[in-house]
Amino acid sequence: DIQMTQSPSSLSASVGDRVTITCRASQIISTYLNWYQQKPGKAPKLLIYAASSLQSGVPSRFSGSGSGTDFTLTISSLQPEDFATYYCQQSYSTSITFGQGTRLEIK
Amino acid sequence: QVQLVQSGAEVKKPGASVKVSCKASGYTFTGHYIHWVRQATGQGLEWMGWINTNSGGTNYAQKFQGRVTMTTDTSSSTAYMELSRLTSDDTAVYYCARRVVGAITLNWLDPWGQGTLVTVSS
Repeated sequence: DIQMTQSPSSLSASVGDRVTITCRASQIISTYLNWYQQKPGKAPKLLIYAASSLQSGVPSRFSGSGSGTDFTLTISSLQPEDFATYYCQQSYSTSITFGQGTRLEIK
Repeated sequence: QVQLVQSGAEVKKPGASVKVSCKASGYTFTGHYIHWVRQATGQGLEWMGWINTNSGGTNYAQKFQGRVTMTTDTSSSTAYMELSRLTSDDTAVYYCARRVVGAITLNWLDPWGQGTLVTVSS
């Protein structure tokens, strides 16, 4: 299986901060990388697909980049509603896998 | 709008089986695979497998091979996930999600069902 490793596991930041979360794949996955946001008690929500495409309805302060094995999710200016857990997911393999998650907390 | 609505919470005894349903609406059911993902309390997302809603073909995570069965009823646009020989480690929220395929074979999961809590307790 392709292993996905996110860093950091948790992060404290303030409203207005620029935040970057990293995801690394154990093998080359091209741009078969998606990002999800999950708030407590809710289902995951798609933010970014194919590494850098913004899902419809998602604010433009979210962006994704990367290809191959290294990927980033950036939030340009944190808003109160962005405090949540973020997961990367590879869809290169028919057996998909998720990163362990990054919990974004208010400083 | 595209929506996946799952069945309600379940409480099961160890050794029993559970069957969770996922009813799709707002799109052509047989045009998209359905994935199942679970999440134990305070833990991350764990992929369980998918079902090709057109052919009925499946791909299960090795961890669940022999214990999970995914099926569909195309007449009602509903997918099912049955997990047998339950233990306390299977206590989790179970999600279904629709696979969307874009350019080339790039694909992602959207939307997700609201989740179904399965509690295994004696």
